[in-house]
Amino acid sequence: NAGVTQTPKFRILKIGQSMTLQCTQDMNHNYMYWYRQDPGMGLKLIYYSVGAGITDKGEVPNGYNVSRSTTEDFPLRLELAAPSQTSVYFCASRPGTPYEQYFGPGTRLTVT
Amino acid sequence: DQQVKQNSPSLSVQEGRISILNCDYTNSMFDYFLWYKKYPAEGPTFLISISSIKDKNEDGRFTVFLNKSAKHLSLHIVPSQPGDSAVYFCAASYAGGTSYGKLTFGQGTILTVHP
Repeated sequence: NAGVTQTPKFRILKIGQSMTLQCTQDMNHNYMYWYRQDPGMGLKLIYYSVGAGITDKGEVPNGYNVSRSTTEDFPLRLELAAPSQTSVYFCASRPGTPYEQYFGPGTRLTVT
Repeated sequence: DQQVKQNSPSLSVQEGRISILNCDYTNSMFDYFLWYKKYPAEGPTFLISISSIKDKNEDGRFTVFLNKSAKHLSLHIVPSQPGDSAVYFCAASYAGGTSYGKLTFGQGTILTVHP
């Protein structure tokens, strides 16, 4: 069981470029989440999904898009990268109950 | 609007002593609370949780206390070990229909346990 995996681990983007952060889980969890963590701050929810084909916005969705075509995968798309998107991005998943989420190792993104 | 707050950015304790990490929340709808531990360059790891129907939950060296009237929870680590040095996040959720288990996190507290 690999749990939640994320790729890449690190990435440097130029302003205006686009990229997709990959997230895969092998636990057959219905619920998946994307968070970002800025220095000295807690994690903020970007998008979440309650099952394949169903996604919704979280607290800070601007500048991002997601899709959920399978139970396993929940990619996060950044269009027109901006310096404000420099952050560490975490993907998480959980079964129906309880509420504990399982996190991936994160992707550190720098936009310059 | 910070609904979950950890007012201590850092805490330093001696090995073997008790570590107490605090967390306050403002949203009365929260009914499930969690603590996560995070090492550098890793994702957060679930540590312990508590439902609002309880006021205490224990798991080995870790105990979480919930004071609903004060909207306050705390994590006690006894005895503290150097390997406990990490960032600790408090998180809250509620079981409402549109919650979908979304977590609201505090800012984190850096715990350093000195040998």
